[in-house]
Amino acid sequence: EAGVAQSPRYKIIEKRQSVAFWCNPISGHATLYWYQQILGQGPKLLIQFQNNGVVDDSQLPKDRFSAERLKGVDSTLKIQPAKLEDSAVYLCATPRTGNTEAFFGQGTRLTVV
Amino acid sequence: GQNIDQPTEMTATEGAIVQINCTYQTSGFNGLFWYQQHAGEAPTFLSYNVLDGLEEKGRFSSFLSRSKGYSYLLLKELQMKDSASYLCAVRDDYKLSFGAGTTVTVRA
Repeated sequence: EAGVAQSPRYKIIEKRQSVAFWCNPISGHATLYWYQQILGQGPKLLIQFQNNGVVDDSQLPKDRFSAERLKGVDSTLKIQPAKLEDSAVYLCATPRTGNTEAFFGQGTRLTVV
Repeated sequence: GQNIDQPTEMTATEGAIVQINCTYQTSGFNGLFWYQQHAGEAPTFLSYNVLDGLEEKGRFSSFLSRSKGYSYLLLKELQMKDSASYLCAVRDDYKLSFGAGTTVTVRA
């Protein structure tokens, strides 16, 4: 089965610039997660989708972050404008079909300078 | 909300056994997961417990006590490649939340 593809793998931007991350999950699963992982910390859930709908976005800084899921498959996460504290790895995850655990993509490492 | 606690760091010798504890408080419970994460890589799934008791998978075992809000991951016959961060994660009715992770260093 296909995995979770994320792009880009690395991104360096200046503060106040905008950036977008893309995730293509295992085809067919309704649930998709975006996590932010700051160095030395555990992943923090930013947003969870069920098909096209948002299940939880309570920890998403909505003044600067936005996310959408296109036709219940691909998803994009955007930051506008970026701050220094947004430097982190952004991980996309989805359960494997028939399994309960979340399967992670390789992530996008964002550095804001 | 959820509160998940695990030790920050542990060190052990190659060939030894290490036990990583995780305590949690959650408004609902629908499973506890352990993940391994090597530096610079994504987390990879190790184990899943939803009922009380011990789940064994080769050198790795995980235990759950729902009444105590407690789990542990047991790593046996430690190898150098086991040096990594180990993440405890709890799922409530729908959300999967992670602890801060325990960095395990295996020394020769």
